[in-house]
Order: sequence, then C-alpha cells, then structure tokens
Amino acid sequence: QSALTQPASVSGSPGQSITISCTGTSSDVGGYNSVSWYQQHPGKAPKVLIYDVSNRPSGVSNRFSGSKSGNTASLTISGLQAEDEADYYCSSFTSSITYVFGTGTKVTVL
Amino acid sequence: QLQLQESGPGLVKPSETLSLTCTVSGDSVSSSTYHWGWIRQPPGKGLEWIGSIYYAGNTYYNPSLKSRVTISVDTSKNQFSVRLTSVTAADTAVYFCARLNSGWHSYWGQGTLVTVSS
Repeated sequence: QSALTQPASVSGSPGQSITISCTGTSSDVGGYNSVSWYQQHPGKAPKVLIYDVSNRPSGVSNRFSGSKSGNTASLTISGLQAEDEADYYCSSFTSSITYVFGTGTKVTVL
Repeated sequence: QLQLQESGPGLVKPSETLSLTCTVSGDSVSSSTYHWGWIRQPPGKGLEWIGSIYYAGNTYYNPSLKSRVTISVDTSKNQFSVRLTSVTAADTAVYFCARLNSGWHSYWGQGTLVTVSS
C-alpha cells in the first residue's frame, strides 16, 4: 500500500488559516469515511485531531476542521497559533482492512 | 485514564527478531469495542502502520511487512505484542502502540526507539 500524499510543508502567519491536503485513492480515502488527522510535536507521540473525516475528539480545539472530496481529504487550521507548529499526518482505512498514513506535512508558523 | 506503555530491547542485531510489548492500563485488551495496533516511525521520517489485533485473535498486517510480522495478545496480562523477524537497519524506528477505535487511532503510547545494529 502506498502512503497517502501530503505536501511536505505549509506555512502561515499567526491568525491566518492554512489547509493541508491528503490525497489517496478510491481504495482508501475515496472509499471510506475513516479518515483521521494527527498532530505530532518533536519527540512526542501523535495526537488525534480529527476522526471520521470531520469529527473532533473531546478536548481538541475547534480551530481544527476536516473535510473530504473524492480521493482527497483536507485539514484546515484556522487562527494559526505558534503552538500549532508541528508535523501533521493523515490516515485512512483501506479496502485491505489495513490503515495507511500520509507522508506528513511540516507546519511552520511565520 | 487509559495508558499504553511500550517495552522491549532498544538494540537488536541484524537478522535477529525484534520483540516489543505494550502494557495497557485503564482499559482491557479483551474489549470487544477496540482493536490494538502498532505503528513505527524511522528517525526523521513519517509514520508507517504495522498492523493490529482484535481480542479474539483476528490480525491485520501491512502487506509490506506481512511476511515478517506477528502481533499477539495476552489477555491475562492485559498486553499485546509485536514480533518482527529478520530485521535490518531499515527497521530502526520509534515503535508506537495504540488503541484503535473504529477507523482511528485514539490513544498512543509514548513510543520506544529500537535500533538495529551489530
């Protein structure tokens, strides 16, 4: 299974909104609503931000939102803050009853 | 409060077998609600899903690792484990264990670095 495709880096100024894309195929992203997003700070374990395309777990800021169109899912961070500087990964369930992660996106707050 | 803790050797020799255990507290690996999984991350690289297990013993593996990996569960100790055979330097990574809700990895262990080197 091939990793989902994400941009290597995205940057924005404090207060701005940024969007990270995650492109897969009809066998993963396009075929299921089991897309999730994770934030990872250096040396830390990933933390889930979004599950099932657009749902936020309890405790996650509403500045994080998710969506999907066809084979591409997206994570939007609004009101960008310095603490949002981290690596972000998408993940999807697949038709092989497995999971696949995205290539990862480094978010820089300018 | 759910906690997952990985444990095992931090150094494994090439061609040998990597074995790690995840101890779960605050939940039961026998729960019919969740799967339990392993993910790894080579230094400076992205996340790679290794596989998962359901308490009844059903296992699911990354096709690229399937020939070398085995995930098992020990309900008496509330643990689950991963074994990866014939390791090479490419298997050097931080290994995470996690709880899988339906479609997402909800809780993660802190991760443990395993280095493959002679």
